[in-house]
Parts: sequence; structure tokens; C-alpha cells
Amino acid sequence: EPEVTQTPSHQVTQMGQEVILRCVPISNHLYFYWYRQILGQKVEFLVSFYNNEISEKSEIFDDQFSVERPDGSNFTLKIRSTKLEDSAMYFCASSELSSSGSYNEQFFGPGTRLTVL
Amino acid sequence: GEDVEQSLFLSVREGDSSVINCTYTDSSSTYLYWYKQEPGAGLQLLTYIFSNMDMKQDQRLTVLLNKKDKHLSLRIADTQTGDSAIYFCAESMNTGFQKLVFGTGTRLLVSP
Repeated sequence: EPEVTQTPSHQVTQMGQEVILRCVPISNHLYFYWYRQILGQKVEFLVSFYNNEISEKSEIFDDQFSVERPDGSNFTLKIRSTKLEDSAMYFCASSELSSSGSYNEQFFGPGTRLTVL
Repeated sequence: GEDVEQSLFLSVREGDSSVINCTYTDSSSTYLYWYKQEPGAGLQLLTYIFSNMDMKQDQRLTVLLNKKDKHLSLRIADTQTGDSAIYFCAESMNTGFQKLVFGTGTRLLVSP
């Protein structure tokens, strides 16, 4: 069964460093998402991406964050200068093309745990 | 704004029914979902319900939606130890790319 994969499973970095979290969405999916979950808190939406551009982003997704689809398979989340409060589990998700009002499941990857020291 | 709330913890015995509750604030929610998260794993969609439905049954899972009270519940019949996990309620609006808004998650512990 196709699945979303994420690498690395755990990333430890120093405050102020740049990190890139990688995701390989399901191959025929066209919508991509990043969510994060700070320990003990809700899963929060960060950004959605379609047709090589950001569709929607949350208040969390400030100028320190960027997303990219550098090739036909990867979808990345970059944090330019990490802060302690960026420590969280980051989930990638993907879904198929959805017409207005219809539903397409978002499939989630296993997550990357980011620890900022 | 959008907000989804759940109780944090539920403990049941194997074979009993579990009921996990969720309340949401945004009446324009189109779809409501239940996701399951096992340790070290991603979020797995269990079931969803469209907002014009009151109930949906899928094997051991029953979802009840009270749109007037903005209350969603998930009932798991004959709960097994393998059902122990965190269960997230989520909603999405009828806009574009269906951003999911999640609740805090309910940790279900099933004891033998």
C-alpha cells in the first residue's frame, strides 16, 4: 500500500541552525501539507501546497519557514534559523486532486521529531 | 475562530465499549474526522462524517454527530488492547484544500 515517508525520523539541531525536513508524498497526489505537534499540544496546520505554490499558511508559518518541491517526488520544509520553540513533531501529508466540496483523505507520514537545543 | 476540544484521557476494560467525545466551534465545518495515532506512527484516518449526516457506522466504529450542539463522538464496540492509542477529532471547512483543524487528542488505554 502506498504511504507517505519522512526523513529523518529524529533531527537534533542547535538554536539558530537551518534544518530541512524531507517528505516523499504518495506518487499520484497533488496536494501537500505540513503540520506540527508540540509535545502535549494539538496538531497544528502549517501550510498547504499545490501546483508549486503555497495555497494556505497559518500564522505559525512565518518568514523563517519555507516549503519546496525540488523534484517530482520530494516535498521539503525548511526552517531557516531554528528557535527552541520549534521543537516539535512535524508531519507531512498528501492528498489527491479534490474538486470543490468533495473529500479526499489526507495521508500522513510518521513524522520527524525536531529537537532544538 | 476554529477550535476543537476533547477530553484528555479514557480508560476502559477489554471488551467494553469506548466513547470518545469532541466539541467544535465552527458551524461551517463540512467534514469531521477521527484519526488514530499509535506510538511512533503517523496519524491514521479511522473514519469521517459529512456534516449533513447524523450517524455513520463502520464495523466496530460508530460516529454520532449532533450539529446543533457541535458535538461529535466515536464509539468503539468490543474495545481491544490494540485499540490503545491517541484519538484525534478533526474538522475541515468547505474551502479549497481542506486544512484540518485538530483537537487535543484523547489517550485511550485499554486494560485486559
